Amino acid sequence: QKEVEQNSGPLSVPEGAIASLNCTYSDRGSQSFFWYRQYSGKSPELIMSIYSNGDKEDGRFTAQLNKASQYVSLLIRDSQPSDSATYLCAASNNNDMRFGAGTRLTVKP
Amino acid sequence: EAGVAQSPRYKIIEKRQSVAFWCNPISGHATLYWYQQILGQGPKLLIQFQNNGVVDDSQLPKDRFSAERLKGVDSTLKIQPAKLEDSAVYLCASSLGRGGLSTDTQYFGPGTRLTVL
Repeated sequence: QKEVEQNSGPLSVPEGAIASLNCTYSDRGSQSFFWYRQYSGKSPELIMSIYSNGDKEDGRFTAQLNKASQYVSLLIRDSQPSDSATYLCAASNNNDMRFGAGTRLTVKP
Repeated sequence: EAGVAQSPRYKIIEKRQSVAFWCNPISGHATLYWYQQILGQGPKLLIQFQNNGVVDDSQLPKDRFSAERLKGVDSTLKIQPAKLEDSAVYLCASSLGRGGLSTDTQYFGPGTRLTVL
């Protein structure tokens, strides 16, 4: 069974703080990893993709991948109320994508 | 570039009725996916097409669900007959799917919210 696990939250952080979202996956054949943001009632929107170990930064977002530990994380710096959403972690093995249940993030003004 | 299109956006039916959803992927995307997302859960893959061939339908309840992608572009997903537990958002996604890690990136349509009464 290929599983992607996330803490369901809710995770609450004050505006301007760093939000840290974590994810583990069970399929060692996974090669591509993604973070999607999903606002309530909307479809998932891609934020970051990462394929190799280490960090990848894009604006206020940093994705971290550790394949040995089967661990992916997303850091959101200077969190804004507009970042309040559910964040879905996904792991893909040859286009076979598995999603976690998502972590609900609330950024309080 | 136009995104993934889906219709209808909302559908309410009674149990045991039939329903069909339509998806038009991003132009040039070879791989098309149908997901079921139940409230509070992540998307669950129902079926994956590469062009007009099925790659993975292991999680599709084949006794009631069917899908096709006849010309390798548009796709339809059908439920017949519907059950109460089929109430969910049905998401269509597409990706380039022509090899290489970056082609794994999936882009989602707006989804169809199905309510079965």
